[in-house]
Amino acid sequence: AQTVTQSQPEMSVQEAETVTLSCTYDTSESDYYLFWYKQPPSRQMILVIRQEAYKQQNATENRFSVNFQKAAKSFSLKISDSQLGDAAMYFCAYRRTNDMRFGAGTRLTVKP
Amino acid sequence: ETGVTQTPRHLVMGMTNKKSLKCEQHLGHNAMYWYKQSAKKPLELMFVYNFKEQTENNSVPSRFSPECPNSSHLFLHLHTLQPEDSALYLCASSHYEYNEQFFGPGTRLTVL
Repeated sequence: AQTVTQSQPEMSVQEAETVTLSCTYDTSESDYYLFWYKQPPSRQMILVIRQEAYKQQNATENRFSVNFQKAAKSFSLKISDSQLGDAAMYFCAYRRTNDMRFGAGTRLTVKP
Repeated sequence: ETGVTQTPRHLVMGMTNKKSLKCEQHLGHNAMYWYKQSAKKPLELMFVYNFKEQTENNSVPSRFSPECPNSSHLFLHLHTLQPEDSALYLCASSHYEYNEQFFGPGTRLTVL
């Protein structure tokens, strides 16, 4: 079965600094999608970044970037220049057709 | 309204009650999903509808009954629930199978 593991239940970062959130997954497939979602305290889940498994280039969205290691089945999220608004739960997710699996989440605290 | 909306935002019900959760998406998507989010657990995919047809039912108890009358609306009918069913129920939609999902704000359900 495909599983998604986030080994850091909580992380903390100083404002303006960089933090990396870890995610590993298990799959026997070669074609799939990976996502990072953010869920602020208001609870609306929003997409942060996505990565297609067939692409070797790591996805980047402004201050957010990923380190996708397909062979290692690792998909970490790097947040640069952290801002107070980045404080939230972050979920790593795997998707192949209707098989959608999420990690348990990492709670990120940003210290001013 | 834009995006994905859910009503009600909060619901308290007894174990013998019957209630329904509603989800509406205004994004022109063709797939809709129900998730259950419990504290400190990964999101659990419950149901998937593509073009109004149910394509996924992840061993969800029959006390949860989904309905998708059209590609913009999704319901989750609840009856004879158990206290362990208390959770945040999230609705999501997407355009194509491999695209990211857009989430609603959720319904916080408490079963007494």
